[in-house]
Amino acid sequence: GENVEQHPSTLSVQEGDSAVIKCTYSDSASNYFPWYKQELGKRPQLIIDIRSNVGEKKDQRIAVTLNKTAKHFSLHITETQPEDSAVYFCAASYNNNDMRFGAGTRLTVKP
Amino acid sequence: DVKVTQSSRYLVKRTGEKVFLECVQDMDHENMFWYRQDPGLGLRLIYFSYDVKMKEKGDIPEGYSVSREKKERFSLILESASTNQTSMYLCASSFFQGRTEAFFGQGTRLTVV
Repeated sequence: GENVEQHPSTLSVQEGDSAVIKCTYSDSASNYFPWYKQELGKRPQLIIDIRSNVGEKKDQRIAVTLNKTAKHFSLHITETQPEDSAVYFCAASYNNNDMRFGAGTRLTVKP
Repeated sequence: DVKVTQSSRYLVKRTGEKVFLECVQDMDHENMFWYRQDPGLGLRLIYFSYDVKMKEKGDIPEGYSVSREKKERFSLILESASTNQTSMYLCASSFFQGRTEAFFGQGTRLTVV
């Protein structure tokens, strides 16, 4: 099955700085790559996703890039705010079946 | 508004008990998933199902089984609970194709004593 690795496990930035979280996957058949945000005590929620026919996708302050050749994808958050503090998970799957997640990144944004 | 509902928020069970965790979704999703969440290990896939009566093993199926008799309901069964199954369990559901966002339940914190 798919194996997803995520780095770093913790990330601390100053408010206004950018944050980057990186993931690699093992199965070249994977074609769907979502990112989830989990705030303390809450359920994970989708923040952005990308499909394998696209190299980059943006939504306001967040963006995701995908390098299919290298089998890695990254989440970029610009102008970070304290409310961005959470655990972020990347995932990979083939057509949304069999979805595997990374181990998560705890992002702390210091005011 | 999509709802994925897990039957219990907190459960305490004894070692050796048979435990049932229930998950119900109201969006007619084909896919349903059970994950286990432990600190530092992320969300690990236990089982998933893409149709009624269909099930596929994930990465950590040992000690667990599942049941999907109806499309909206996916049950996780711990055949004989052990202390190393103490964890947060999350259910999720999604469409098989098209819009593929997975929606999660609120989680069940299971403690096995």
